[in-house]
Amino acid sequence: QVQLQESGPGLVKASETLSLTCTVSGASVNSGSYYWSWIRQPPGKGLEWIGYIYYSGSTNYNPSLKSRVTISVDTSKNQFSLKLNSVTAADTAVYYCVYDLDPWGQGTLVTVSS
Amino acid sequence: EIVLTQSPGTLSLSPGERATLSCRASQSVSSRYLAWYQQKFGQAPRLLIYGASNRATGIPDRFSGSGSGTDFTLTISRLEPEDFAVYYCQQYGSSPFTFGPGTKVDIK
Repeated sequence: QVQLQESGPGLVKASETLSLTCTVSGASVNSGSYYWSWIRQPPGKGLEWIGYIYYSGSTNYNPSLKSRVTISVDTSKNQFSLKLNSVTAADTAVYYCVYDLDPWGQGTLVTVSS
Repeated sequence: EIVLTQSPGTLSLSPGERATLSCRASQSVSSRYLAWYQQKFGQAPRLLIYGASNRATGIPDRFSGSGSGTDFTLTISRLEPEDFAVYYCQQYGSSPFTFGPGTKVDIK
């Protein structure tokens, strides 16, 4: 059974970098033909796909965020990570890591403060 | 980018009734790469349907998906109390993957 757990700071200052890690159990981040994705949800709003890293290491990002996003994998720790640069209040959201289409991590709220 | 529109925005029904949720795409969804998720308050979304009509593991058979091209439907044959939630469709056939705005199913 695959399980994912997000971790990282819950508060980030505007203009700085948001960094989150997703720890994976029950699957290997560098095997299988699956996507490892990040998706976010602003409070009270809908879901926005941020991007994914494929098991091969290739990435695909939402064009609306592409200039600020990096998704990477640490195979030694069986983790994948999200970095979002130059954050603003609009980046305040619950951030989810996702294995293929499911399961999702429980989500972590990141608030951008001014 | 494929834009997904869901209707209605809110569906007010009673337990035992049938729910029909619509998801319409601005362009044809490749190879029926359309998923449906259920989200309850304070929880992560849960996959119900993938490939437009395939139930995910452990999903009751009262949930069914249909459609192709630009028009998709999620049907809940008989609403159980635990089914009152927000439902999202997502297309994953064309990058960027996109979600619909959601349909809230609440108790009448």
